[in-house]
Amino acid sequence: KAGVTQTPRYLIKTRGQQVTLSCSPISGHRSVSWYQQTPGQGLQFLFEYFSETQRNKGNFPGRFSGRQFSNSRSEMNVSTLELGDSALYLCASSLVREGRKNTEAFFGQGTRLTVV
Amino acid sequence: SQQGEEDPQALSIQEGENATMNCSYKTSINNLQWYRQNSGRGLVHLILIRSNEREKHSGRLRVTLDTSKKSSSLLITASRAADTASYFCATSFFGNEKLTFGTGTRLTIIP
Repeated sequence: KAGVTQTPRYLIKTRGQQVTLSCSPISGHRSVSWYQQTPGQGLQFLFEYFSETQRNKGNFPGRFSGRQFSNSRSEMNVSTLELGDSALYLCASSLVREGRKNTEAFFGQGTRLTVV
Repeated sequence: SQQGEEDPQALSIQEGENATMNCSYKTSINNLQWYRQNSGRGLVHLILIRSNEREKHSGRLRVTLDTSKKSSSLLITASRAADTASYFCATSFFGNEKLTFGTGTRLTIIP
């Protein structure tokens, strides 16, 4: 079974631009979450999508947004990029069973975004 | 914000020795997961332990959970050079897929 796939692996953008990152979850997984990892703040939760609906959102500005498609693939978008948005963006998928009992979350290799 | 701290922040041991790292968290949880990360790449899932479990094993890994102390430990036995990585604990609450990560332990195995 294929793992979580994130594209692209690397991106270089200029301040003020916008960027879209993509995540394909493990087949059958309906929950997709996004995280930002920086040396200063560590791993921070951005948002989670389940069945095309955002269920949870972290403490990030509105420039960070996402969506999920009917096939569970997800995208996140960052508009008006700032230097501080440079980070490793990680996507995780999990199989949400009945009763919403938490299951393992599996991560992709991440997208390394550099804003110059 | 981070859920808690991991201790130690960095650990260097000789190959073949055991490595123990600890994770403390602040609030009640549903489960706790441990991950490994190599050189800023993706997170590799190691083990999940639920709040009603006290100990789990997976190969050379042993995880304990003490909910009264709000802490967990990860033991890697007979360490190998390939175990060199950063290790993170992550907690979650019932019905919520959000993971809250610790600060991580950087483990270096000296051949």
